[in-house]
Amino acid sequence: QSALTQPASVSGSPGQSITISCSGINSDVGYYKYVSWYQQHPGKAPKFTIYEVNKRPLGVSNRFSGSTSGNTASLTISGLQAEDEAVYYCTSFFSGTWVFGGGTKVTVL
Amino acid sequence: QVQLVQSGAEVKKPGAAVRVSCKASGYTFASYYMHWVRQAPGQGLEWMGRINPDNGGTKYSQKFQGRVKLTRDTSIDTAYLEFTRLRLDDTAVYFCAAAYCGGDCPPSFWGQGTLVTVSS
Repeated sequence: QSALTQPASVSGSPGQSITISCSGINSDVGYYKYVSWYQQHPGKAPKFTIYEVNKRPLGVSNRFSGSTSGNTASLTISGLQAEDEAVYYCTSFFSGTWVFGGGTKVTVL
Repeated sequence: QVQLVQSGAEVKKPGAAVRVSCKASGYTFASYYMHWVRQAPGQGLEWMGRINPDNGGTKYSQKFQGRVKLTRDTSIDTAYLEFTRLRLDDTAVYFCAAAYCGGDCPPSFWGQGTLVTVSS
C-alpha cells in the first residue's frame, strides 16, 4: 500500500501564509485530480476542505487553496487565523483504495 | 442538509466483534459511496473501505481484508461496519463518511464518529 508523506508540523503568525506538502500522490493520468485535504480540530470529525486538487466545498474560506506538482500536492493557507490551528490531512487514490497522509499539525503563533 | 448519525460507543473484549451503524439523511443514500475511516487515539486517519449502497459492492484496504465487512440496508438508509477478531490496537474512533459525487470519490460528509474500546 502506497504512503503519503506530510511534515509533522508547520507554524506561522496570524496574517502569514503557510504551505503544507503531501508527497507520494498518484500522478497517473486520470487519478491526478483525486487529491483532497481535510481539516480536523481536536475531538471533532474531519472537515472536507479541498477536493480535486484545488476546489473548495461550499462554506470553506477562499484563504484555503490547493495545487500539485509532480507527485506532490500542497495546501496553502493565506491570512492565517487562530481558528486555522488544527491537523490537516491529504488523501489520494491508488488502485481502488484511498490513502491518507500522516497529518500536519498547524500552529498559529 | 446531509447528516450522518452513528451508533453509540462500544466496549469489547479481544477476539469479539462489533457492529457500527451509520444512518444517512438529507440526500439520496444509494447514489454515493459510503467510506469508513478510523482514528486510533492520538493518531492519524486510516481508510478502511467503502461500499456502494446501490449494489452493495465493496472495496477494502488490504490491511483489514478478512476482518471487516461493510453492508447496507437501503430501506432505512443505513450503512454498517462489522469488525471481527478485535485486538487491543483496534481501539479507535470509527467514522462513516459519504462521498460527494458518484463513483470513486473521496469521503466528504462525515458522521460524528463512534468510539470502540477493546479492553480485556
